[in-house]
Amino acid sequence: DVKVTQSSRYLVKRTGEKVFLECVQDMDHENMFWYRQDPGLGLRLIYFSYDVKMKEKGDIPEGYSVSREKKERFSLILESASTNQTSMYLCASRGPGTSEKLFFGSGTQLSVL
Amino acid sequence: GESVGLHLPTLSVQEGDNSIINCAYSNSASDYFIWYKQESGKGPQFIIDIRSNMDKRQGQRVTVLLNKTVKHLSLQIAATQPGDSAVYFCAENGSGNTGKLIFGQGTTLQVKP
Repeated sequence: DVKVTQSSRYLVKRTGEKVFLECVQDMDHENMFWYRQDPGLGLRLIYFSYDVKMKEKGDIPEGYSVSREKKERFSLILESASTNQTSMYLCASRGPGTSEKLFFGSGTQLSVL
Repeated sequence: GESVGLHLPTLSVQEGDNSIINCAYSNSASDYFIWYKQESGKGPQFIIDIRSNMDKRQGQRVTVLLNKTVKHLSLQIAATQPGDSAVYFCAENGSGNTGKLIFGQGTTLQVKP
């Protein structure tokens, strides 16, 4: 089974802090994604990556950046955390070819105070 | 714009009954659809998917129906169990072969004992 691991289950940060959310997958997938999940808004795509050092903006990239230095790891960075970034963050990966199925991690609940 | 919507935010069923969760999609170019289940405190888990060249696909206790004429997708769960209580999301792949999924907002399924 594909395993997508997010390093933290819960995080509490202060406004203005730089925040790193880490995600690792063990299936050699090329494609990795970061979503945020908010009540009433569903899952919204922040950034995704098709390959090492490649990144593409999703639907809501403002206030975020990403890093993909190794194939298995995709990091989401909040340069200066704000209270409106309090949310559940979900990482996902997808294999090559025509499969479009995403495999998700367990999520990181981030609270920015 | 593209949107995927679920008809009801909450569905309550009796244990042992069949459940039907509905989803409407707006992009007629979508050719791949998928259902996820998300239990409290966990990331979304794949349930079943279907391509547009099919109108029905069955899994273990679950069936997905696709009606392309009215752009409607449904998930049927047979003999609903307490462990089926979760939020269910539908998603479509949209247009442009981007490899991204567009998610609906989710329906909460509550199973009464």
